[in-house]
Amino acid sequence: QVQLQQWGAGLLKPSETLSLTCAVYGGSLGTDYWSWIRQPPGKGLEWIGEINHTGSTSYNPSLTGRVTMSVDTSKSHFSLRLTYVTAADTAIYYCAKGGPLGAGAYWGQGNLVSVSS
Amino acid sequence: DIVMTQSPLSLPVTLGQSASISCRSSQSLVYSDGDTHLNWFHQRPGQSPRRLIYMVSKRDSGVPDRFSGSGSGTEFTLKITRVEAEDVGVYYCMQSTHWPNSFGQGTRLEIK
Repeated sequence: QVQLQQWGAGLLKPSETLSLTCAVYGGSLGTDYWSWIRQPPGKGLEWIGEINHTGSTSYNPSLTGRVTMSVDTSKSHFSLRLTYVTAADTAIYYCAKGGPLGAGAYWGQGNLVSVSS
Repeated sequence: DIVMTQSPLSLPVTLGQSASISCRSSQSLVYSDGDTHLNWFHQRPGQSPRRLIYMVSKRDSGVPDRFSGSGSGTEFTLKITRVEAEDVGVYYCMQSTHWPNSFGQGTRLEIK
């Protein structure tokens, strides 16, 4: 049974960089895509981007320029960096399985990231 | 981007009755390989979403057969028969055919 566990800083100031990491347990990164999704408090879900084991990425155009994803296959980890955060980036951030077929099959527990001065 | 539109946004249901949620996409969700990547998720308060249905009608492991998905092209439906108390929460459709993946606004199911 694949499980995702994620971690990272939960309180940021405007213009700082959000950094989160997700570990895949019970399996490897394999050839699958792995994603980040966010959900502002009380609102809907937004797909941020995804990455595969080779480091090939796709980002949501709404965040291109601020988002970077990376992967460490030796640790079965993948990471998210979002630069120059503002209050609008306050959300619960989830890691999840990606790809057309695997999209959302597994989810991390979520991390609330708050941006406030 | 593909816009996913769900209806209704609020769905009061009596225990034991059936519920149906519609989802419409702004473009066809047929992928280049002929598959249609339309998914349904359930999110309880304070929890991560859980995928129920993928490829329009395939149930994920452990999902009760009370949940069924149907549709094609741009029109899709999630049906829940014999609604139970544990079914409350928000249901989202999501397309993973076109990048970026996109979700519907969510439908909140509550027990009358």
